[in-house]
Amino acid sequence: DSGVTQTPKHLITATGQRVTLRCSPRSGDLSVYWYQQSLDQGLQFLIQYYNGEERAKGNILERFSAQQFPDLHSELNLSSLELGDSALYFCASSVGRGTGELFFGEGSRLTVL
Amino acid sequence: GESVGLHLPTLSVQEGDNSIINCAYSNSASDYFIWYKQESGKGPQFIIDIRSNMDKRQGQRVTVLLNKTVKHLSLQIAATQPGDSAVYFCAENRNSGYSTLTFGKGTMLLVSP
Repeated sequence: DSGVTQTPKHLITATGQRVTLRCSPRSGDLSVYWYQQSLDQGLQFLIQYYNGEERAKGNILERFSAQQFPDLHSELNLSSLELGDSALYFCASSVGRGTGELFFGEGSRLTVL
Repeated sequence: GESVGLHLPTLSVQEGDNSIINCAYSNSASDYFIWYKQESGKGPQFIIDIRSNMDKRQGQRVTVLLNKTVKHLSLQIAATQPGDSAVYFCAENRNSGYSTLTFGKGTMLLVSP
């Protein structure tokens, strides 16, 4: 158990809909990262937050947004969903904002029909 | 369990053999590298890391070798066990100062009893 909690574990929705994925980092970790894992693209970095502020942005679509709250949990919002958004979405956390080990949650499996 | 990739390079070994998983990285400025293991249906799990000022680091049953000249990483697993069966990812930190890891495509390791 990495200590990172993600909900929901599975989510099935329709095209055009909006969903919110939730992540609670390990106790004491200030950074939260979101990754998308699909069969053809592997693990793609989406976005990082450190202590409530956005620190780095990767291949995140404009239809997606995220935030980190004062209690350090984070939410990833996916809107106007398309079939190609079906993937595993992982949250990871780390202690600081520098280089170091990331601790991953077990992921949220999103299926868009 | 869930598959994390249908077209991954696959290494098949017998239990007790030594395994070597290779990874080529792309950015000569990367200064930190990590190997992750992902079992079916789970999030990536840290195995071992190495900084660019080193060329070898050993853990328990695992060794990581870094060749900066040819931008190559390898993970050696001694006395491979069926529980080592998983997808293995190398990741590099391309944005010094932040844990913005970029992951490789992964290699599936299958260990037969």
